[in-house]
Amino acid sequence: TQLLEQSPQFLSIQEGENLTVYCNSSSVFSSLQWYRQEPGEGPVLLVTVVTGGEVKKLKRLTFQFGDARKDSSLHITAAQTGDTGLYLCAGARQAGTALIFGKGTTLSVSS
Amino acid sequence: DVKVTQSSRYLVKRTGEKVFLECVQDMDHENMFWYRQDPGLGLRLIYFSYDVKMKEKGDIPEGYSVSREKKERFSLILESASTNQTSMYLCASSLSFQLGGKLIFGQGTRLTVV
Repeated sequence: TQLLEQSPQFLSIQEGENLTVYCNSSSVFSSLQWYRQEPGEGPVLLVTVVTGGEVKKLKRLTFQFGDARKDSSLHITAAQTGDTGLYLCAGARQAGTALIFGKGTTLSVSS
Repeated sequence: DVKVTQSSRYLVKRTGEKVFLECVQDMDHENMFWYRQDPGLGLRLIYFSYDVKMKEKGDIPEGYSVSREKKERFSLILESASTNQTSMYLCASSLSFQLGGKLIFGQGTRLTVV
């Protein structure tokens, strides 16, 4: 059973379009993190959300943690080719436990 | 730049060989992790360590062991490599298990077992 379900699995869009990636679970998480991974490299942390209902912005990226702390979303405004990569959500069920990762969303942005 | 360094980017080994994957971090982090990443399966935790000589099994420890003799180094050992262990292996470290602990990943080792 996958504890963190990401959707969609693949996304192919044109430069300038907006998109949203979802990370859902039936379990409550103490925190959720979003990572981006480029081909041949390890994932790099984008953001951590810890409070239910929290919204964080990182330039054109907006991250939201659900009120019940069971889901999160990543919204990208006016996507650029440099946004291409694998986006992973990861959560900690409890403080002091290792992160669980979703399977990821592969985003391809073409010019 | 602080970093996590994995000893090899690419590795090809034969079935039955004992394989060592090495990982070194220069951030004085207590926690270190080994994940494997496979298409359609995401990142799965193999083992982690929260202190020198301490280790904990992750979700898929079968066929693997680990060693942490020094704080900065965490080794993953495939006792007898098999073709189903062909994968991308990612090492990571973190300062603590505190809420929202950030993982710093290495660049990965792509292991092929033939």
